[in-house]
Amino acid sequence: AAGVIQSPRHLIKEKRETATLKCYPIPRHDTVYWYQQGPGQDPQFLISFYEKMQSDKGSIPDRFSAQQFSDYHSELNMSSLELGDSALYFCASSRRLGAGELFFGEGSRLTVL
Amino acid sequence: AQKVTQAQTEISVVEKEDVTLDCVYETRDTTYYLFWYKQPPSGELVFLIRRNSFDEQNEISGRYSWNFQKSTSSFNFTITASQVVDSAVYFCALSEANYGGATNKLIFGTGTLLAVQP
Repeated sequence: AAGVIQSPRHLIKEKRETATLKCYPIPRHDTVYWYQQGPGQDPQFLISFYEKMQSDKGSIPDRFSAQQFSDYHSELNMSSLELGDSALYFCASSRRLGAGELFFGEGSRLTVL
Repeated sequence: AQKVTQAQTEISVVEKEDVTLDCVYETRDTTYYLFWYKQPPSGELVFLIRRNSFDEQNEISGRYSWNFQKSTSSFNFTITASQVVDSAVYFCALSEANYGGATNKLIFGTGTLLAVQP
């Protein structure tokens, strides 16, 4: 069965650079979520989208922005990168605002040097 | 405020032993959802179970079983006859509910690292 697809899987950036992560949800899933997991930490909710509108917001820095497109894929844009942004970024998807189970992608590992 | 506590930081067992991972949660909501995820060394988060607060039936799936007790705010996870491939970090998580189901704005516990020795 198709899963949540994230790209790139690994990304290395310098401080103050910009990074963009992409997420393709499971087919027929209309809600996407972004989570950040720092080294040795539990995942933290960043933001979610339902039908291309922001549905909820968590601890997402102002330097980060995200959107969901008409094909339901989502992109997380991170600017002015800091060393502390180094983390595993997960995208997850579900049907209709949480009516079904929440499935995560394999994550995108961002390293900021 | 919502909170999930996984008091066991690390557990080490020998293959074929049974092991229970504890999860205690706090919430003021009457409707909520509980989850378990597995994170193997490769890093992905693998969905194991989702349970809503109105369904207190215990669940068994192969070697996995879950014991949900609202009276003690616990949602414990047991692996029977553990295998080396079960070695991973296991996260328990809590979500508020909305009109559609779960908000999926998960509050995770700090995870339990399970090491299964051959």
